[in-house]
Amino acid sequence: QQPVQSPQAVILREGEDAVINCSSSKALYSVHWYRQKHGEAPVFLMILLKGGEQKGHEKISASFNEKKQQSSLYLTASQLSYSGTYFCGTVGSSNTGKLIFGQGTTLQVKP
Amino acid sequence: NAGVTQTPKFRVLKTGQSMTLLCAQDMNHEYMYWYRQDPGMGLRLIHYSVGEGTTAKGEVPDGYNVSRLKKQNFLLGLESAAPSQTSVYFCASRTATAGVGDTQYFGPGTRLTVL
Repeated sequence: QQPVQSPQAVILREGEDAVINCSSSKALYSVHWYRQKHGEAPVFLMILLKGGEQKGHEKISASFNEKKQQSSLYLTASQLSYSGTYFCGTVGSSNTGKLIFGQGTTLQVKP
Repeated sequence: NAGVTQTPKFRVLKTGQSMTLLCAQDMNHEYMYWYRQDPGMGLRLIHYSVGEGTTAKGEVPDGYNVSRLKKQNFLLGLESAAPSQTSVYFCASRTATAGVGDTQYFGPGTRLTVL
């Protein structure tokens, strides 16, 4: 039931791009994306609702393919501040309120 | 507006002891959650609540109990702590509004060690 994220870890140089994928085996109502810095609480980035929409937040955007039950997070022209662990959280199609997180993708951006 | 607060921030217990973690939110959110985070395991849902007086089990509920007597508070109890419950515990709250305004806010976490 836990969504699967890939890759598990990414190392980038400043200015490079990255894609983080989130895949579920169940039908989804929405997908949430969060970033967590070491020793801190996760911070909300964006939510995507079923309908295949794509959203953006600064140079970070995401897409949601409802039919494939997949979401992708796109980080373009990465900055040092993008380093951290990224989590996707999924809400099932019945929207019971239950939010289940993937295992996380660790992103390290080097100068 | 404090957001989501958790008490205590750190705690060390001996095996078999009991304790209660308190989560409070001042955003009038309907949904509240308790997660535990272990290295390499991500955030795992323990219990959650969709409104005052209601609770439901998450992915890893064994060994924990919860109560939501007031809308703003969500308590997590450990009746007989075990070393396997050593973890960082996060509380979160979320609006009940489905749609673009749906946002989940996390508290700062409680670092619990069971010896």
